[in-house]
Amino acid sequence: GDSVTQMEGPVTLSEEAFLTINCTYTATGYPSLFWYVQYPGEGLQLLLKATKADDKGSNKGFEATYRKETTSFHLEKGSVQVSDSAVYFCALMVNTGNQFYFGTGTSLTVIP
Amino acid sequence: ETGVTQTPRHLVMGMTNKKSLKCEQHLGHNAMYWYKQSAKKPLELMFVYNFKEQTENNSVPSRFSPECPNSSHLFLHLHTLQPEDSALYLCASSQQEPGGGSTDTQYFGPGTRLTVL
Repeated sequence: GDSVTQMEGPVTLSEEAFLTINCTYTATGYPSLFWYVQYPGEGLQLLLKATKADDKGSNKGFEATYRKETTSFHLEKGSVQVSDSAVYFCALMVNTGNQFYFGTGTSLTVIP
Repeated sequence: ETGVTQTPRHLVMGMTNKKSLKCEQHLGHNAMYWYKQSAKKPLELMFVYNFKEQTENNSVPSRFSPECPNSSHLFLHLHTLQPEDSALYLCASSQQEPGGGSTDTQYFGPGTRLTVL
């Protein structure tokens, strides 16, 4: 079945460090891929998305590239800030229907 | 107001109580969703409404009862809940293409933190 696996946290980084959060997926069709972010006490917010292979989604300094050959959509940021502390969710949506599949979330804490 | 709103933000209830969660979307979308978020588990999709018709019910216990009176409002009626139902309940909306085609990104509300005593 369709599913998403993302690296377990928590992840703790110093400010300005490089961030990678791994995400791999299994899908029967041609999914769209998403990263959502959840700040403390809030709901999920769309961070970026990619709808086809080799697309790169980017927003607020975060990037992720849709890699069909490795079925991956890893999230990266070159220099994290304290304000990036949140939980990050990888998700996929298959093109038929409206079912989203989410990973378990990766908690990121950035320390000054 | 913009986006997706949910009320109340926090709710504490006993196992014999009846309460309702409310969600309202101001995005003109035609599909709405209820998710359950528990610690260290993936988001669990509970219910989906497209064009006000329920299209998904992922084996959710009958003590949870959804209602979608129009495309902007979604309710989750709760009765005789169990302590394991304590979680963050998230509402989302999206724009579904007619005929069940592709769906755009889902937009989430802030959630209702539910505690069942």
